[in-house]
Amino acid sequence: QKEVEQNSGPLSVPEGAIASLNCTYSDRGSQSFFWYRQYSGKSPELIMSIYSNGDKEDGRFTAQLNKASQYVSLLIRDSQPSDSATYLCAVNMRNTGNQFYFGTGTSLTVIP
Amino acid sequence: DAGVIQSPRHEVTEMGQEVTLRCKPISGHNSLFWYRQTMMRGLELLIYFNNNVPIDDSGMPEDRFSAKMPNASFSTLKIQPSEPRDSAVYFCASSYRSSYNSPLHFGNGTRLTVT
Repeated sequence: QKEVEQNSGPLSVPEGAIASLNCTYSDRGSQSFFWYRQYSGKSPELIMSIYSNGDKEDGRFTAQLNKASQYVSLLIRDSQPSDSATYLCAVNMRNTGNQFYFGTGTSLTVIP
Repeated sequence: DAGVIQSPRHEVTEMGQEVTLRCKPISGHNSLFWYRQTMMRGLELLIYFNNNVPIDDSGMPEDRFSAKMPNASFSTLKIQPSEPRDSAVYFCASSYRSSYNSPLHFGNGTRLTVT
């Protein structure tokens, strides 16, 4: 079992719709969770971080964390073509020092 | 804040040559990470340092790869001799170790092509 798992997609949504990206992780003691966006040919860019159970909203982005289910998600409301990218889930696992584990990423395409 | 700075941005070399990638982390960050990214394998952690000390190098593919961090503001990843299967994008990233809430910040990467 991989430490962090994501559906690789591709996920396609029409412009204006809600895109839902999901991630599960294996270490129950994990404390910090991050979503990165990576455009083709570019480096990963941090878009959201979440540390406590519940929802965290930032503009059109909402991160949701459920530690009991070891599940973290990212919702993108009013999806725009510029949101088309690969989204990487990252987890900082307490028992591994400061090591970050990444999922393989979900490719999102927003169709105009 | 200049961010994480990597050089070169692109490197094309022939099989058997030595390749050195360079990284300057964000000032004040005390953890540094080297990742490799390919279409097939995604983002792979090669090695990371805390306070200039290598903590986990289990991701380094083989002895041809080595990494150093002589001071808090500079790190190198060396491949000698290089092989075509080393072709990938290599990212350096840094964070502030003392806080688990500190995210990783990535450099722009070095695209390595070994022919």
